[in-house]
Amino acid sequence: EADIYQTPRYLVIGTGKKITLECSQTMGHDKMYWYQQDPGMELHLIHYSYGVNSTEKGDLSSESTVSRIRTEHFPLTLESARPSHTSQYLCASSEYTREGVNEQFFGPGTRLTVL
Amino acid sequence: GQNIDQPTEMTATEGAIVQINCTYQTSGFNGLFWYQQHAGEAPTFLSYNVLDGLEEKGRFSSFLSRSKGYSYLLLKELQMKDSASYLCAALDSNYQLIWGAGTKLIIKP
Repeated sequence: EADIYQTPRYLVIGTGKKITLECSQTMGHDKMYWYQQDPGMELHLIHYSYGVNSTEKGDLSSESTVSRIRTEHFPLTLESARPSHTSQYLCASSEYTREGVNEQFFGPGTRLTVL
Repeated sequence: GQNIDQPTEMTATEGAIVQINCTYQTSGFNGLFWYQQHAGEAPTFLSYNVLDGLEEKGRFSSFLSRSKGYSYLLLKELQMKDSASYLCAALDSNYQLIWGAGTKLIIKP
């Protein structure tokens, strides 16, 4: 079973608020990811990281930032939440192998509603 | 552009066999993943194919044809707990996953 955690699981906030979604993994994985997923739709990559002090933007334009100060921690911050940010946010991690590829392990997700 | 195509929804009967197809177009290709996602939950890994052919893992098998840009997931002896969405995802030349929207599988008794 994957050891990757997200908090909060559910969040309802007002427009304009600053929020941070937490993600931690205890597997020592180098790569971490943030995805956004609406019901019945595909996952969209928002940010990813190859390791400590590495962050990259994904294909989905998003008014969010991430940081990777520690291997196990990869928080996502929305500076000013808008109703269009209402969605499920999934954090995932994977490790490099000799073959270069490994499956991603997902956290339980944070369901965000912006009023 | 890069895209993944898979049927939106399929229905099958408990105990039967179902095949979920996926076609992909990516810039470069480093393998194809299948994930299972129950409603309201996170995706969980099912299989990974990078070479042509069939990979069997218990009741689930996954097939890949690189020349055709095609994969399928085969589920045998269907159980009610197999009701879920099945996500196809291709790894591109930058080792980024390109995700399909998923196929919602409904199992009827």
